[in-house]
Amino acid sequence: QQQVKQSPQSLIVQKGGIPIINCAYENTAFDYFPWYQQFPGKGPALLIAIRPDVSEKKEGRFTISFNKSAKQFSLHIMDSQPGDSATYFCAASPAGNNRKLIWGLGTSLAVNP
Amino acid sequence: DAGVTQSPTHLIKTRGQHVTLRCSPISGHKSVSWYQQVLGQGPQFIFQYYEKEERGRGNFPDRFSARQFPNYSSELNVNALLLGDSALYLCASNTGQGIPSREQYFGPGTRLTVT
Repeated sequence: QQQVKQSPQSLIVQKGGIPIINCAYENTAFDYFPWYQQFPGKGPALLIAIRPDVSEKKEGRFTISFNKSAKQFSLHIMDSQPGDSATYFCAASPAGNNRKLIWGLGTSLAVNP
Repeated sequence: DAGVTQSPTHLIKTRGQHVTLRCSPISGHKSVSWYQQVLGQGPQFIFQYYEKEERGRGNFPDRFSARQFPNYSSELNVNALLLGDSALYLCASNTGQGIPSREQYFGPGTRLTVT
């Protein structure tokens, strides 16, 4: 059972476009929602994260939108560049001392020049 | 400052053997977590340690074990290796307490191939 459902599986955009990646969750105990970027052969790198008490967070060209009632959150990449081509993962973590992350299956993004 | 470091980078083992993977967290971070990432999938949580004590364990068999040392580095041990253990093993560190502890920083991983 996939606790965090991520879509689409893959995405192709032109340079300057705004790719949007969506995630949905069921467990209301989740209270921390990060996005990670992973290049081939590398470990995931933390991009941006949000908690459910805010509806939007922006860091540079990356924006998270969060809809608590729908239990959905999404990543928007503004003015996308070929260097943004990577696999993006959403994740969720429950409240409490255990910091385990529950991950989506990932979205492979290709930004064409 | 150095990020999370892991060793070795790559490893090839045969079925039935055991393996030890090592991780050094970011300086000042007291918690280490281990994840298994199979090709084409998201990481799966294996263990979390904080101040040398296990804080969480994922759905992995007892062949998987880990420990954390007084300097906060950690080892992941896998016994009786199976072909299905072939994966990228990731180590993540965080401060371990307070709001910043939600942010986990990953190392480059150890690529384990079991033949």
